Amino acid sequence: QQQVKQSPQSLIVQKGGISIINCAYENTAFDYFPWYQQFPGKGPALLIAIRPDVSEKKEGRFTISFNKSAKQFSLHIMDSQPGDSATYFCAAGISGGYQKVTFGTGTKLQVIP
Amino acid sequence: NAGVMQNPRHLVRRRGQEARLRCSPMKGHSHVYWYRQLPEEGLKFMVYLQKENIIDESGMPKERFSAEFPKEGPSILRIQQVVRGDSAAYFCASSPLTGDTEAFFGQGTRLTVV
Repeated sequence: QQQVKQSPQSLIVQKGGISIINCAYENTAFDYFPWYQQFPGKGPALLIAIRPDVSEKKEGRFTISFNKSAKQFSLHIMDSQPGDSATYFCAAGISGGYQKVTFGTGTKLQVIP
Repeated sequence: NAGVMQNPRHLVRRRGQEARLRCSPMKGHSHVYWYRQLPEEGLKFMVYLQKENIIDESGMPKERFSAEFPKEGPSILRIQQVVRGDSAAYFCASSPLTGDTEAFFGQGTRLTVV
């Protein structure tokens, strides 16, 4: 019940294209869904996060879509750039508590020119 | 996330030795989290500490692993009698408050057991 399933495992997108990463969760107590970006040799950095009271959140080229009934959420990267090449992790946690989150297994994104 | 300092960045230990990983949280942060990342996997929660208190250690292996966050000094993750399966990247994160405040991650310590 604590799992967060993430797909695809890897993704190759052409520059200017849309990158889409999907996640699903089981624990209905989760109400905080962050996405992290990790470059090789670095720690994860928070990219964008959403709570279930909204179905979509956009920050620049990054958009999270959230479907509470399906227990799914996704990250869309519009106009993907080579600098976006990194590993992306979705995660889920319980707000109002502390920052203990359950991570997905990661998607390695490569944006090719 | 450069504000959370972890050292060493790389650590090589022989089987049976002890590994000590240090984490200095960002200035003003009094909450520390340790996560472990195995190759090609996501990060898994290990332990959450406040100053001088372990709040949640539900992700810590029952044996050989311990963590502390003293009143003064960095948080320490200690692994005794390391085995090859302990080889992983260990990340520390810190936050100033509980609840909705983002936790910032350090760059990690990559432990290799030979």
